[in-house]
Amino acid sequence: DADVTQTPRNRITKTGKRIMLECSQTKGHDRMYWYRQDPGLGLRLIYYSFDVKDINKGEISDGYSVSRQAQAKFSLSLESAIPNQTALYFCATSDPGQRPYEQYFGPGTRLTVT
Amino acid sequence: RKEVEQDPGPFNVPEGATVAFNCTYSNSASQSFFWYRQDCRKEPKLLMSVYSSGNEDGRFTAQLNRASQYISLLIRDSKLSDSATYLCVVNLNDYKLSFGAGTTVTVRA
Repeated sequence: DADVTQTPRNRITKTGKRIMLECSQTKGHDRMYWYRQDPGLGLRLIYYSFDVKDINKGEISDGYSVSRQAQAKFSLSLESAIPNQTALYFCATSDPGQRPYEQYFGPGTRLTVT
Repeated sequence: RKEVEQDPGPFNVPEGATVAFNCTYSNSASQSFFWYRQDCRKEPKLLMSVYSSGNEDGRFTAQLNRASQYISLLIRDSKLSDSATYLCVVNLNDYKLSFGAGTTVTVRA
């Protein structure tokens, strides 16, 4: 089984809808991240969490919110989806005690907002 | 200015060829440097770290030039399986990674 899983893998939704993307990990890592990837751009950090009680905004957090339900679960919500949020979304984890700068990514969620 | 800039390519090379490409980074305080590999629309995976002295991992050689703020990756004896997008990644602190948009390499038979 994959260490980092994301659901759904693909989603098409309409403008104005609320949508939640979920991430689960079995790596036992404390740190979790949400990124989005757009063509021609590098991955951009939306939110990150160092543990269940520590959640921080990344460089592009507007229009998004997150919830860290447990060490293993980190969800990303789009409160009112808009077309320019169409992108590939990745969840990632890391463990600063091991290889501190290596992040392990989930398979991604392809989101289309019409 | 983007924090990490890469030539998007694509670099189209025959099997067995050598291909090399660079990326530049803007923040001189950057601490660590990496190459990640991303297959078509799949998740990025760490390929190798980049050390100041240069380092090799099999057919892959990475180099860092702090004075000129660039990182390079060289692939020798290219294989079809090397076809991918290579992401240049720079670490600014203990959690924040800055990703380049990637350089696409296509190895043809």
